[in-house]
Amino acid sequence: NAGVMQNPRHLVRRRGQEARLRCSPMKGHSHVYWYRQLPEEGLKFMVYLQKENIIDESGMPKERFSAEFPKEGPSILRIQQVVRGDSAAYFCASSPQGDEQYFGPGTRLTVT
Amino acid sequence: GENVEQHPSTLSVQEGDSAVIKCTYSDSASNYFPWYKQELGKRPQLIIDIRSNVGEKKDQRIAVTLNKTAKHFSLHITETQPEDSAVYFCAAARSNDYKLSFGAGTTVTVRA
Repeated sequence: NAGVMQNPRHLVRRRGQEARLRCSPMKGHSHVYWYRQLPEEGLKFMVYLQKENIIDESGMPKERFSAEFPKEGPSILRIQQVVRGDSAAYFCASSPQGDEQYFGPGTRLTVT
Repeated sequence: GENVEQHPSTLSVQEGDSAVIKCTYSDSASNYFPWYKQELGKRPQLIIDIRSNVGEKKDQRIAVTLNKTAKHFSLHITETQPEDSAVYFCAAARSNDYKLSFGAGTTVTVRA
């Protein structure tokens, strides 16, 4: 059983461009969480999704950020018009029921 | 929202000694408390978790204790080894959504 997959692992974007981060959960997991980790800091919750539904997006900025988890395919976190402050590691985690969350390797976004 | 505080921020121990990390949480409705280990540049890995219906859980050299009244939980690592060197994060969540609120992390260094 493959673990949680994320791609790309590293992403460089210029200010104003769009960043699209993908997360494929473990087989059989229907719960997906996205977290952001700034350098030298802990992880901060962004959004919680189940298939085709956003359950809680209270940790995600209202502007420029969006997330989806379609019926088929990976979950996607989209950041429009990126700014330098968006530079961080973005981790997704998947879970069969919500409790035990298994993390992907992360996408390290650098905005130049 | 939930606020999780973690202490100490850094911990250096001699190989073979024990390490203890402590966390407090603010939301009395939180009832799920996982611990994650993160090595440099790697994904957070779930090492142990505890639910509020138990006070202690042990897995080989790792144990976690929970005091619901004091809203306090701790990670104990016995007989530390160099491979235990990493950043450890505590987290808390409610079982209705399992949105994890993380502590700021403890950098553990095991001296050979």
